[in-house]
Amino acid sequence: QQQVKQSPQSLIVQKGGISIINCAYENTAFDYFPWYQQFPGKGPALLIAIRPDVSEKKEGRFTISFNKSAKQFSLHIMDSQPGDSATYFCAASGNAGNMLTFGGGTRLMVKP
Amino acid sequence: KAGVTQTPRYLIKTRGQQVTLSCSPISGHRSVSWYQQTPGQGLQFLFEYFSETQRNKGNFPGRFSGRQFSNSRSEMNVSTLELGDSALYLCASRQVLDTGELFFGEGSRLTVL
Repeated sequence: QQQVKQSPQSLIVQKGGISIINCAYENTAFDYFPWYQQFPGKGPALLIAIRPDVSEKKEGRFTISFNKSAKQFSLHIMDSQPGDSATYFCAASGNAGNMLTFGGGTRLMVKP
Repeated sequence: KAGVTQTPRYLIKTRGQQVTLSCSPISGHRSVSWYQQTPGQGLQFLFEYFSETQRNKGNFPGRFSGRQFSNSRSEMNVSTLELGDSALYLCASRQVLDTGELFFGEGSRLTVL
């Protein structure tokens, strides 16, 4: 079964701290791993994505770390801000984004 | 450039009825996908259309169907509604297949009573 397991379900971080969200997958055919951010009442928006040929990708305060042998990947948000408070979803797919399989989501709250 | 537009944003139906949801993709995007979002099951892929053809289908019963028109606009239909169909239905578009980034709309929230 194609699953993506995400943890934690919720996370509280102080402003300026580091938020870390982890995901694990089972299907070795997955070759595309995006992270989405969703605010209440809005659709998910792509934050950052990685392919298995690299172990890390950084865009601004957001970094994906990827461990192919462990079938795990994580999102790090550096210098977390109250505006980062949202629900974050990891996802995975084969064929570059077709039929995304999403993790269960992490509700992040950044306290001022 | 306008984003993905979904209509209606909110609707209430009763069990046994059917519903049609509409999605207008970003101009120039030819691929449209549909996802269901619920608190219990999370985000689940329904289907994807490209050039009026269904390319992929998720694990949903035949009551869920969709289509795409020549202008790339898409509709999805759910027949014989059940209480468990209450969800946020999200449409997403991208320019071509196999390029990754999906742009989501704000969704249509369906409540089945």
